[in-house]
Amino acid sequence: GAVVSQHPSRVICKSGTSVKIECRSLDFQATTMFWYRQFPKQSLMLMATSNEGSKATYEQGVEKDKFLINHASLTLSTLTVTSAHPEDSSFYICSADPGAETQYFGPGTRLLVL
Amino acid sequence: AQSVAQPEDQVNVAEGNPLTVKCTYSVSGNPYLFWYVQYPNRGLQFLLKYITGDNLVKGSYGFEAEFNKSQTSFHLKKPSALVSDSALFFCAVSPITGGGNKLTFGTGTQLKVEL
Repeated sequence: GAVVSQHPSRVICKSGTSVKIECRSLDFQATTMFWYRQFPKQSLMLMATSNEGSKATYEQGVEKDKFLINHASLTLSTLTVTSAHPEDSSFYICSADPGAETQYFGPGTRLLVL
Repeated sequence: AQSVAQPEDQVNVAEGNPLTVKCTYSVSGNPYLFWYVQYPNRGLQFLLKYITGDNLVKGSYGFEAEFNKSQTSFHLKKPSALVSDSALFFCAVSPITGGGNKLTFGTGTQLKVEL
């Protein structure tokens, strides 16, 4: 139980294009989902908290117009990196909270912007 | 503000020996404490958590962790390490406020188990 999927697992795009990453909780409902970014050999940096049916809460320093988050249902949240640039290349990980104090993480999405 | 410290970037252990990965925390009030493991190019897998009750928490793959309130520590342990345990381990803390809590992660400790 408590499986979270992410799609795609890796994506390569050209600078200036937009990329959408999906995060799904497969066997539970998640009122809250989280989006993280991880740089090589570093810890996870929380980007935003996504609540179903409401606007995401962004951490300080994270551009909400660049990283669009939509949490349309209790099992799906999407992160869209708009007008991606090479500095946006990173490993993006989502997590979902079934309301039992524990976050369950997706397998991550490797984004490379050329 | 809450914080987590993992003082060791890397821990090397011989297979069959016990292992300890250290974690200390700082949080207002009582914490929820977690250990997650990450394999290369993968997301995090939940290992175990401490919410309340017995200070010794048992988790997946034979790992356990001991909550020590006076030392504000939550060290991860395993009696006998396996080569397959080699991975990146993260300690995390969240405040006790119900579901949807933000996690604060430590910087991670790379565990290397050798034959």
